[in-house]
Amino acid sequence: KAGVTQTPRYLIKTRGQQVTLSCSPISGHRSVSWYQQTPGQGLQFLFEYFSETQRNKGNFPGRFSGRQFSNSRSEMNVSTLELGDSALYLCASSFRTSTDTQYFGPGTRLTVL
Amino acid sequence: DQQVKQNSPSLSVQEGRISILNCDYTNSMFDYFLWYKKYPAEGPTFLISISSIKDKNEDGRFTVFLNKSAKHLSLHIVPSQPGDSAVYFCAAYPQGAQKLVFGQGTRLTINP
Repeated sequence: KAGVTQTPRYLIKTRGQQVTLSCSPISGHRSVSWYQQTPGQGLQFLFEYFSETQRNKGNFPGRFSGRQFSNSRSEMNVSTLELGDSALYLCASSFRTSTDTQYFGPGTRLTVL
Repeated sequence: DQQVKQNSPSLSVQEGRISILNCDYTNSMFDYFLWYKKYPAEGPTFLISISSIKDKNEDGRFTVFLNKSAKHLSLHIVPSQPGDSAVYFCAAYPQGAQKLVFGQGTRLTINP
């Protein structure tokens, strides 16, 4: 069974731009969660989607948004990029709820210049 | 507000010895705990978990201990192998909340 895939793996953007990251969950998994990893803050929960609906949200500004499609694939969008948005963005999928074991993708490394 | 804390940013252990990674939490509503291992340029990989109704769970070389009264859990790896060198994250689910709360990670280095 293929694992969680994320595209692109690396991105370089400039301040003020926007970016969209993509995540394809493990086949059969319906819950997709997004996390931001930075050296100072560790992994922080962004949001979780299930059946195309956002079920949970972390403490991030509204510039961070996401969506999920009917095939469970998910996208995350960050608008008006700031230098502090430079991080590794990780996507995780689980079978039904995010309390099931979550399986992570390799992440997208975003650098904001 | 760091609800899950890993106070040791790094740990160095000799190959063959026991590695003990520690994690403390502040929220008594956490009811399920997990350990993840992360290699550079890869996402975290699930290692082992424990429910709050248990105090120990074992899987091969890995054992997780939970002390609810102290709000403390630990991961024991024995014997430690070079391939265990990675960053280890402790994580927890609050009861009824469907989002994982992570500690900041401990970098484990196994020396030959």
